Amino acid sequence: EAAVTQSPRNKVAVTGGKVTLSCNQTNNHNNMYWYRQDTGHGLRLIHYSYGAGSTEKGDIPDGYKASRPSQENFSLILELATPSQTSVYFCASGDAGSEQYFGPGTRLTVL
Amino acid sequence: GDSVTQMQGQVTLSEDDFLFINCTYSTTWYPTLFWYVQYPGEGPQLLLKVTTANNKGISRGFEATYDKRTTSFHLQKASVQESDSAVYYCVLGDRGSALGRLHFGAGTQLIVIP
Repeated sequence: EAAVTQSPRNKVAVTGGKVTLSCNQTNNHNNMYWYRQDTGHGLRLIHYSYGAGSTEKGDIPDGYKASRPSQENFSLILELATPSQTSVYFCASGDAGSEQYFGPGTRLTVL
Repeated sequence: GDSVTQMQGQVTLSEDDFLFINCTYSTTWYPTLFWYVQYPGEGPQLLLKVTTANNKGISRGFEATYDKRTTSFHLQKASVQESDSAVYYCVLGDRGSALGRLHFGAGTQLIVIP
């Protein structure tokens, strides 16, 4: 069974603070993705990775960094969190041309 | 650029009603099209997939047909159940890159009243 897990599931942060969202996959997929979900926008791609050591910018990368230290792990980093980054964040893994498998999401609130 | 349009933000039906959710897409490539479903508290999961080779996908009673002439990919189900209540996303797959990125529509919230 394909599995993508995320931690934490819920996070409250203060404006200007640093936030790290973690993602782990046991699918052995090369590609991993970070999305945010907001009402009226569907899911929008923030960063993605082709494999360990690689990170690339997606459609809305401003204010976010990513790190892929291994095949299994992909992190999203908010160095200076802002209230506009309050959202639900999803990690996914997949191979080119096939479906993506999503984690359960992290609800982030920035006060 | 590649994009997907879902105009229906919310659809409310009674059990056994017919479901139809509109979706149109825009791409310069031969598309791979998906419908993903998201239940409360979960991430999206694949409902069905259609490529230009097979034109039609069927899964769990849901059906979607890819129409190149109208660039549409509507989702249908003959008889909905309360358990079908969820958010449905029309998704365009990018065949043109090794990334395999997905372009999501805005989503349609389906509410089925028992």
